[in-house]
Amino acid sequence: GAGVSQTPSNKVTEKGKYVELRCDPISGHTALYWYRQSLGQGPEFLIYFQGTGAADDSGLPNDRFFAVRPEGSVSTLKIQRTERGDSAVYLCASSLQGGATTDTQYFGPGTRLTVL
Amino acid sequence: GQSLEQPSEVTAVEGAIVQINCTYQTSGFYGLSWYQQHDGGAPTFLSYNGLDGLEETGRFSSFLSRSDSYGYLLLQELQMKDSASYFCAPRTTAGKSTFGDGTTLTVKP
Repeated sequence: GAGVSQTPSNKVTEKGKYVELRCDPISGHTALYWYRQSLGQGPEFLIYFQGTGAADDSGLPNDRFFAVRPEGSVSTLKIQRTERGDSAVYLCASSLQGGATTDTQYFGPGTRLTVL
Repeated sequence: GQSLEQPSEVTAVEGAIVQINCTYQTSGFYGLSWYQQHDGGAPTFLSYNGLDGLEETGRFSSFLSRSDSYGYLLLQELQMKDSASYFCAPRTTAGKSTFGDGTTLTVKP
């Protein structure tokens, strides 16, 4: 596609439920990043994929959060036993190579997650 | 450790020039990116500095001094549409970018 797409655009769930957020990166981009952004704050790094593998998952807040990218393209962020504090906009970005390069991260429109 | 500082808010008038400073402490520092984000929108890339000095892209320029762990974004000929949040984002050699809380720029007529 022309840009990074994320689905759903909005997700409302109840505390304790499981959610999956999907990211379709720009075709051919090997690097994929997940961030979350709360109101009035900057994007907070969660995890970074280089191809199919997680190159850096140091930003995942706890073991309720998990992300996969099985074929090196689409990625899914999975949140178990959601809590109200998980409410935020979840942003996905992709870049051509990642790593120690000058390439640009292109962001998707985000998924707004609301946990009631 | 890691730290990142930018002013939280800046106000300027149309046609003016504004400079948004950024100081950082980043292990494995590789370069400094700048992003713009309008309310309700996604961050969009503005500029990147891998080497010391000034990079110019139209009305926007960005500067980096590695020895001072300092950079700035310079916006010239401000327009109302430039009202947005601006983030500096240090990048590490491993490819990770860190964003601070950003600077909210308000451009007034």
